[in-house]
Amino acid sequence: EVQLVESGGGLVQPGRSLKLSCAASGFTFSNYYMAWVRQAPKKGLEWVATISTSGSRTYYPDSVKGRFTISRDNAKSSLYLQMNSLKSEDTATYYCARRRVYPGITTNYYVMDAWGQGASVTVSS
Amino acid sequence: DIQMTQSPASLSASLGETISIECRASEDIYSNLAWYQQKSGKSPQLLIYAANRLQDGVPSRFSGSGSGTQYSLKISGMQPEDEGDYFCLQGSKFPNTFGAGTKLELK
Repeated sequence: EVQLVESGGGLVQPGRSLKLSCAASGFTFSNYYMAWVRQAPKKGLEWVATISTSGSRTYYPDSVKGRFTISRDNAKSSLYLQMNSLKSEDTATYYCARRRVYPGITTNYYVMDAWGQGASVTVSS
Repeated sequence: DIQMTQSPASLSASLGETISIECRASEDIYSNLAWYQQKSGKSPQLLIYAANRLQDGVPSRFSGSGSGTQYSLKISGMQPEDEGDYFCLQGSKFPNTFGAGTKLELK
């Protein structure tokens, strides 16, 4: 069974840093791209970061680029999100997700097919 | 960035009723569209990927359709356990973008 378990959430002051971790099990972690997705209270979902299988390629939206860093340790089957210069608008539940590729005839289909239970991050003074 | 416009924002359906939720992309996403269900306090669960492929274990009353910029999720026969929030996600390009969500309630 695929399991993703986030940890490291909590209350942090604006401008400070926090690092989230995600422990993966039930699948070959090193074979999959991984991602972080967040959800502000009572709001929709926002993609935060994606990392390639080796960790050599990373992708971010403009809202977190330069402040957040996604990384992974394949030997430990673990995913991380280093969050610096935190703002109140970063307050959210952060989900770790596995990115799966489904081959198509003319294109591949990319989807986040498994999600963790989420880690709550509150940025407030 | 690709914008995903999802409608309606909320929906109330009777037991056994068939409902549809729509997502419109601001450009062609080549069927790189997934649908998720999220129940209160839980993480999202994948229902449909590649616009119309049913994820393993998902009841067959859920179906997806569409191409290009227009996509829809249909529930054929509303059940009590179908209450929750539904989101679409485009995986065609970075930044991946979600629809704003549809809250589905049982009437």
